Amino acid sequence: GENVEQHPSTLSVQEGDSAVIKCTYSDSASNYFPWYKQELGKGPQLIIDIRSNVGEKKDQRIAVTLNKTAKHFSLHITETQPEDSAVYFCAASNQLTGGGNKLTFGTGTQLKVEL
Amino acid sequence: DAGVIQSPRHEVTEMGQEVTLRCKPISGHNSLFWYRQTMMRGLELLIYFNNNVPIDDSGMPEDRFSAKMPNASFSTLKIQPSEPRDSAVYFCASSPPGTSGRNEQFFGPGTRLTVL
Repeated sequence: GENVEQHPSTLSVQEGDSAVIKCTYSDSASNYFPWYKQELGKGPQLIIDIRSNVGEKKDQRIAVTLNKTAKHFSLHITETQPEDSAVYFCAASNQLTGGGNKLTFGTGTQLKVEL
Repeated sequence: DAGVIQSPRHEVTEMGQEVTLRCKPISGHNSLFWYRQTMMRGLELLIYFNNNVPIDDSGMPEDRFSAKMPNASFSTLKIQPSEPRDSAVYFCASSPPGTSGRNEQFFGPGTRLTVL
């Protein structure tokens, strides 16, 4: 089965700096890579995703890159703000038509943005 | 859109008691997932359903755990008998049909279970 590793487990940055979280996956058949943000006391929420036919995707201050050859994908947050403080999870999946495909999650990164 | 609804939000019970967690997925979604989250093990998929049918229950830790989805709008996760090591936050998530072009899983607020 799929195995997803995520680093670092904790990350502390100064407000305005950039933050980068990296993940690797094992199953070459995986084709869908979402990132979820979990705030304290809440369920994870999707913030951005990328599919294997795309190398990079950007949404305002958030970007994700994918290297299928190396089986690496990364989340980049620029101009960090205190409200970015949360736990971030990467995930991987082999998305087939018809939906109902499970995600394998990384172990999470606790991001703290300090004033 | 009410989102995924879970009940109860908090449950405290004693070892050996039966616990039932409930989930109402988002209307129109055809896949439902049950996760367990702990500090030690992170976010683990327990079981998921597609069109009310269990597809993969390989994550269910023991026979003490069972899940049902009698219809498209309701699912339960039952632990009988419960043990202290079952203490965790249990999340339910749902996702729309793949043909909609969206693969996002929408998570509920979770049920925090404490087994004494």
